[in-house]
Amino acid sequence: RKEVEQDPGPFNVPEGATVAFNCTYSNSASQSFFWYRQDCRKEPKLLMSVYSSGNEDGRFTAQLNRASQYISLLIRDSKLSDSATYLCVVNPGPLRSDSWGKLQFGAGTQVVVTP
Amino acid sequence: DARVTQTPRHKVTEMGQEVTMRCQPILGHNTVFWYRQTMMQGLELLAYFRNRAPLDDSGMPKDRFSAEMPDATLATLKIQPSEPRDSAVYFCASVPDRRNYGYTFGSGTRLTVV
Repeated sequence: RKEVEQDPGPFNVPEGATVAFNCTYSNSASQSFFWYRQDCRKEPKLLMSVYSSGNEDGRFTAQLNRASQYISLLIRDSKLSDSATYLCVVNPGPLRSDSWGKLQFGAGTQVVVTP
Repeated sequence: DARVTQTPRHKVTEMGQEVTMRCQPILGHNTVFWYRQTMMQGLELLAYFRNRAPLDDSGMPKDRFSAEMPDATLATLKIQPSEPRDSAVYFCASVPDRRNYGYTFGSGTRLTVV
């Protein structure tokens, strides 16, 4: 079983619609969580961190459910420029441990926003 | 914006040749990672360094891959001899120590071994 699992998609979304997807992680001791965005043939870029209370950044909302060990990302009012692969990322280690920072990446969820 | 710089951006080489990839982390970032990305495997951690010391290279095939950080401004990943199955995009990423936010990735080296 992979440490971080995501639905690969693609999620085909009409422009202006809302799309949401989850990822699950296996290590209950995981410390911090992120969503990265990766465009085709580009490097992954940090989209947002995910906090226990949930957080928003413009049209993007991230939620963390520690009890069920999943993270979600919701995109409202989708734009054509939101088309990308979204990587769910988990930092498994406590802050002062050697495993801190060895981020675990999901395989990504592809989102395609159509006109 | 501070960035992680990787060279070369693209490399095509013949099987058996040595390949060296270079990474300049962001100034002040003392933790550096090497990742490999393929369609089949996604992002795989190859090695990482903290304060230039190698902490974990268990993801690397030891017989052909080596990673070093000769100084704080340069990390290298070498493959010798290269094989077609090494074809992938190799990313370097850096992060300040003990900060609870994500990495900054370089643009990657796209390696093709023929």
